[in-house]
Amino acid sequence: DAGVTQSPTHLIKTRGQQVTLRCSPKSGHDTVSWYQQALGQGPQFIFQYYEEEERQRGNFPDRFSGHQFPNYSSELNVNALLLGDSALYLCASSPTAGVEAFFGQGTRLTVV
Amino acid sequence: DAKTTQPNSMESNEEEPVHLPCNHSTISGTDYIHWYRQLPSQGPEYVIHGLTSNVNNRMASLAIAEDRKSSTLILHRATLRDAAVYYCILSIIQGAQKLVFGQGTRLTINP
Repeated sequence: DAGVTQSPTHLIKTRGQQVTLRCSPKSGHDTVSWYQQALGQGPQFIFQYYEEEERQRGNFPDRFSGHQFPNYSSELNVNALLLGDSALYLCASSPTAGVEAFFGQGTRLTVV
Repeated sequence: DAKTTQPNSMESNEEEPVHLPCNHSTISGTDYIHWYRQLPSQGPEYVIHGLTSNVNNRMASLAIAEDRKSSTLILHRATLRDAAVYYCILSIIQGAQKLVFGQGTRLTINP
């Protein structure tokens, strides 16, 4: 089992650009959550997807959007990038009734 | 979201027990106590969770105070691989839950 995989591992973008990050959940997991982790801080919840719908959302602006595909994989899109969007973006998957969330290694986004 | 308070950092020696405290005085009756840890350059990983009773698994033990206002994660015999940031999180378990991370405790293990 490959676990949760995220791509790319690192990314550099310019202010104002748009970025798409990808996540493949652990086999059998239908729920995907995204987190943003700034340097030296704990991860912050962005949103969660289940059955291709956004089920919960944290305190992030509409520039952050997502999508879940029928195979449960997910994308995180960020528009109009700001310098403050530079962070490690983590994807976590879990089964519907699961307790434990499994995290990927993350995508390190740098906005210059 | 109910808040947790943890020390910023702790230090221990290899092969000794480690007790990581967490205060959660505003915990509600339906909140479970979860612990995750994040090793350097990795995503967080689940350690243990509990509601009222003490819990043990292969990684650690969780001791929960009788009033549930505090808990302690116990690593029985620390190894260098246990050096990580440990997060204590409260969450209602209803299917897959949203996790609200605080700053965590950075644990250093001395050889």
